[in-house]
Amino acid sequence: KNEVEQSPQNLTAQEGEFITINCSYSVGISALHWLQQHPGGGIVSLFMLSSGKKKHGRLIATINIQEKHSSLHITASHPRDSAVYICAVRDSNSGYALNFGKGTSLLVTP
Amino acid sequence: ETGVTQSPTHLIKTRGQQVTLRCSSQSGHNTVSWYQQALGQGPQFIFQYYREEENGRGNFPPRFSGLQFPNYSSELNVNALELDDSALYLCASSRDSSHGYTFGSGTRLTVV
Repeated sequence: KNEVEQSPQNLTAQEGEFITINCSYSVGISALHWLQQHPGGGIVSLFMLSSGKKKHGRLIATINIQEKHSSLHITASHPRDSAVYICAVRDSNSGYALNFGKGTSLLVTP
Repeated sequence: ETGVTQSPTHLIKTRGQQVTLRCSSQSGHNTVSWYQQALGQGPQFIFQYYREEENGRGNFPPRFSGLQFPNYSSELNVNALELDDSALYLCASSRDSSHGYTFGSGTRLTVV
């Protein structure tokens, strides 16, 4: 069983909709990352969280350490938001590696 | 900021051959980690280098090896390639563990 689970696996939304992607993890962590991956492979780091909430433009990320759960929200979604969104955690015991979820494939249609 | 550059972008190799993938880290980043991403899966940690020393390794066999150079660029070497080694290989650099990562665009390796 993967230590990091994301839901949903696939998501289709209409332009303008509010989108939520969820991430649950089973280990103690020192940090959680939200990443965006476009076709072709390149990964862009969106957020690094260890507590609370962060906002950047139309993107909001929250984390609940006690519940081992994080959410990524996209407000006023746009077709250019279409990508794979990946949650990754740094295990507080290992200190090195990121453990990745399988990603959520988002398609925003006009 | 120069970002992280990986080369080559695509590569086709034959089973049994050896391959070297390269990563140029972002300026000021002394930590680099390598990941393997199979199709439809999340990336899997291969290993990490800090100031030219390997300081962490995932569940990959010894035929996966690496180097980090004084300018913090790095290489991933894979010997005796197998068909299952076909994947996207990503490198990521970081200033230190309290900072985020900058990822490269990856090298897509196909083993035939």
